[in-house]
Amino acid sequence: DQQVKQNSPSLSVQEGRISILNCDYTNSMFDYFLWYKKYPAEGPTFLISISSIKDKNEDGRFTVFLNKSAKHLSLHIVPSQPGDSAVYFCAAKESNTGKLIFGQGTTLQVKP
Amino acid sequence: DAGVIQSPRHEVTEMGQEVTLRCKPISGHNSLFWYRQTMMRGLELLIYFNNNVPIDDSGMPEDRFSAKMPNASFSTLKIQPSEPRDSAVYFCASSLRGAGSTEAFFGQGTRLTVV
Repeated sequence: DQQVKQNSPSLSVQEGRISILNCDYTNSMFDYFLWYKKYPAEGPTFLISISSIKDKNEDGRFTVFLNKSAKHLSLHIVPSQPGDSAVYFCAAKESNTGKLIFGQGTTLQVKP
Repeated sequence: DAGVIQSPRHEVTEMGQEVTLRCKPISGHNSLFWYRQTMMRGLELLIYFNNNVPIDDSGMPEDRFSAKMPNASFSTLKIQPSEPRDSAVYFCASSLRGAGSTEAFFGQGTRLTVV
């Protein structure tokens, strides 16, 4: 039973355009949502997070939006750069246990 | 701080052999996670420790898998006996659980190949 789902295995965008990565969740006990980026042969690295009491968090080119009623969050990258090409994981933290649960990942390719 | 340190980086072993993966979390962190990365399931949580105590091991695939955290600076994930389907990249991560975002920091992973 996948509590955090990323339904798009891959996404390809042109350099300079917007990249939108999506994530859905089922558990109402999550208090934080996080996005991680992973390059080949490296561990995932933290990118940006959002508290469940907010609906938007922005950090430079990266913005995360949270729609609690739809149990959906998205990561927007504007403008996309070739160096953004990586696997992006959505994660959610359980408020009562601190457990961090990840989705399946979406491979983003930004073409020059 | 050197970050989360995992060893070995690569492990090739024969089916039936025992495999031990090691992890040194970031000093001061009180939560530790073991994940397995596969194409189908992404980053799959195997087990989660808080203050060296296993909190949730529901993700451990079967009895062949076991994990320990004897102290705050060391954890092991053992597979005995190993099988080809255990081949994957195994990640260890640590975090400081408390108020706030509490993102986890990952090691570089151990790529396990069971032949």
